[in-house]
Amino acid sequence: EVRLVESGGGFVQPGRSLRLSCTASGITFGDYAITWFRQAPGKGLEWVGFIRSKAYGGTTEFAASVKGRFTISRDDSKSIAYLQMSSLKTEDTAVYFCTRGYDSSVTLGVYWFDPWGPGTLVTVSS
Amino acid sequence: DIQMTQSPSSLSASVGDSVTITCQASQDSSKYLNWYQQKPGKAPKLLIFDASNLKSGVPSRFSGSGSGTHFTFTINSLQPEDFATYYCQQYYILPYTFGQGTKLEIK
Repeated sequence: EVRLVESGGGFVQPGRSLRLSCTASGITFGDYAITWFRQAPGKGLEWVGFIRSKAYGGTTEFAASVKGRFTISRDDSKSIAYLQMSSLKTEDTAVYFCTRGYDSSVTLGVYWFDPWGPGTLVTVSS
Repeated sequence: DIQMTQSPSSLSASVGDSVTITCQASQDSSKYLNWYQQKPGKAPKLLIFDASNLKSGVPSRFSGSGSGTHFTFTINSLQPEDFATYYCQQYYILPYTFGQGTKLEIK
């Protein structure tokens, strides 16, 4: 069974940093892209960013709202992807989800976002 | 950015009914559209990919169609477990964007 689990969420003050982890099992982690999404309390879903597989360069893309503040990295030997969040703002408060996907040679992005982890809550507040 | 306009935002229906949700993209999204189901406190679940393909294991009462800028999602013969919020998402052009969601409630 393919399973992803996020961890590392919590309460943090504005301007501080936090690192989330996405740990996978049941897959050859390095074969896949990993995408992060978030959902603010009571709101809809928002794409945060993704990291391509090493076969596609292991490069990253981000939403404008987090670009320059968030980074994504991966450790394929541990089957973990990380979302490093810096200069956090109150509007970053959300449940953060990670998903597995495939790199696309057609769109040059990622397709297939399944399964999703259960999510981890990040609360940014003073 | 591609804006995804999903309608209706809420819907009341009874067990056994059929319902349809639409998603209009502000520009061409080709076939690259997903439909998700989300229940309170849970992660979204992928139901339909590439606009019209049913993910393995998803009941056949769920279906999707469309391409380009107009997409539809239909649930036939609603079951009690289908009452949830549904989202469309385009993954053709970055940033990937979602519709605002449709909350399907029991009448």
